[in-house]
Amino acid sequence: AIQLTQSPSSLSASVGDRVTITCRASQDITSALAWYQQIPGKTPKLLIYDASILESGVPPRFSGGGSGTDFALTISSLQPEDFATYYCQHFYSYPLTFGGGTKVEIK
Amino acid sequence: QVQLVVSGGGVVRPGGSLRLSCAASGLDFNIYGIHWVRQAPGKGLEWVAMVRYDGTDKYFADPVQGRFTISRDSFKDTVYLQMNSLRTEDTAVYFCAKVKGPYGSGNYFDHWGQGTLVTVSS
Repeated sequence: AIQLTQSPSSLSASVGDRVTITCRASQDITSALAWYQQIPGKTPKLLIYDASILESGVPPRFSGGGSGTDFALTISSLQPEDFATYYCQHFYSYPLTFGGGTKVEIK
Repeated sequence: QVQLVVSGGGVVRPGGSLRLSCAASGLDFNIYGIHWVRQAPGKGLEWVAMVRYDGTDKYFADPVQGRFTISRDSFKDTVYLQMNSLRTEDTAVYFCAKVKGPYGSGNYFDHWGQGTLVTVSS
């Protein structure tokens, strides 16, 4: 199975900060990667798919990049509602897998 | 709008069985694949299983292969996850999720059911 390694596992940041989360795949997955945001007690929300395509309705401060094995999710200016846990997920082949998650906390 | 309603969770003894349901509305059910994803208490997301939009293909994560089965009823717009030989490590909130694209185009999820807690404990 393809492993996804997210880093960092957690971070503390302030409102207005630029935040970058990385996701590394154990093998080439082309651009078959999605990013989700999960607020405690809520279901995950799709942010980015195909590595860089912004889901409809998601604010443009979110962006995704990368291909092959190295990917990143960037929040250009952190807002109070962005404090959450973020997951990457590949859909290159079965079994699908998620990264371990990155918890973004308020500094 | 699209709605996925999950039901069937509960407490079960190790070795027992449960059947989860994911009832869909507000969409053309027969053109979208449906997946199950679980989340153990305080842990991350784990993909569990999927059924193709037409029911012809099904895939399972290694930890549940041979114990879980998945099916869909196009008349009831419902997907079922039958869980047998349950283990304590299967304890989690189980979500169903709809793929964004029709006809198998991209296995990422734009709508999620609310989740149901399955607790496996003696």
